[in-house]
Amino acid sequence: DIQMTQSPPSLSASIGDRVTITCQTSQDIRKYLNWYQHKPGRAPKLLIYDASNLETGVPSRFSGGGSGTDFTFTISSLQPEDLATYYCQQYSNLPYTFGQGTKLEIK
Amino acid sequence: QVQLQESGPGLVKPSETLSLTCAVSGDSSTSGSYYWSWIRQPAGKGLEWIGRISPSGSTNYNPSLKSRVTMSVDTSKTHFSLKLSSVTAADTAVYYCAREVVIVIGDAFDIWGQGTMVTVSS
Repeated sequence: DIQMTQSPPSLSASIGDRVTITCQTSQDIRKYLNWYQHKPGRAPKLLIYDASNLETGVPSRFSGGGSGTDFTFTISSLQPEDLATYYCQQYSNLPYTFGQGTKLEIK
Repeated sequence: QVQLQESGPGLVKPSETLSLTCAVSGDSSTSGSYYWSWIRQPAGKGLEWIGRISPSGSTNYNPSLKSRVTMSVDTSKTHFSLKLSSVTAADTAVYYCAREVVIVIGDAFDIWGQGTMVTVSS
């Protein structure tokens, strides 16, 4: 299985801050990586697919980058509604695997 | 827009079989192909992909669970199901169904159910 190392596990930031989360994979997955937002009690939501493509309807303050084994997810200006846990997920190989998540808290 | 809704018992006894169903509503057409997946999340832990089934019924399972998992899809394509046998406390989790859409430039879980909590306990 491809191992996913996501960091940091938790993050506290202020409204308007730029926030970056990283995801490292145990082998080269080209750009086959997605990012999801998960709010408590709700269905996870796809934000970014294929490492850097913004899903339809997702605000442009969210962005993704990287390829190979190192990826980043950025919120350019943190908003109150961004309180959530964020996960990376690879689809290069089965079984699909997810990062352990980054819990984002608002200061 | 497609919506997914999981249903099934919230409590299962150890060694028994966990059975869940995901109801599919709305227009499931997409420009790409798709699969139906099951994903779970134990309390305080990350997401684990259990497996997937195509509308035609072909399956892929996570090797870590393969010996205990069976997925099926009904012929009307309005429901798909998960069975997990010989459950233990380690199978206690929130179970999600999700659609995996495969398009030219990507492959992602674009639609998820709300999730259903399953507890394994006597």
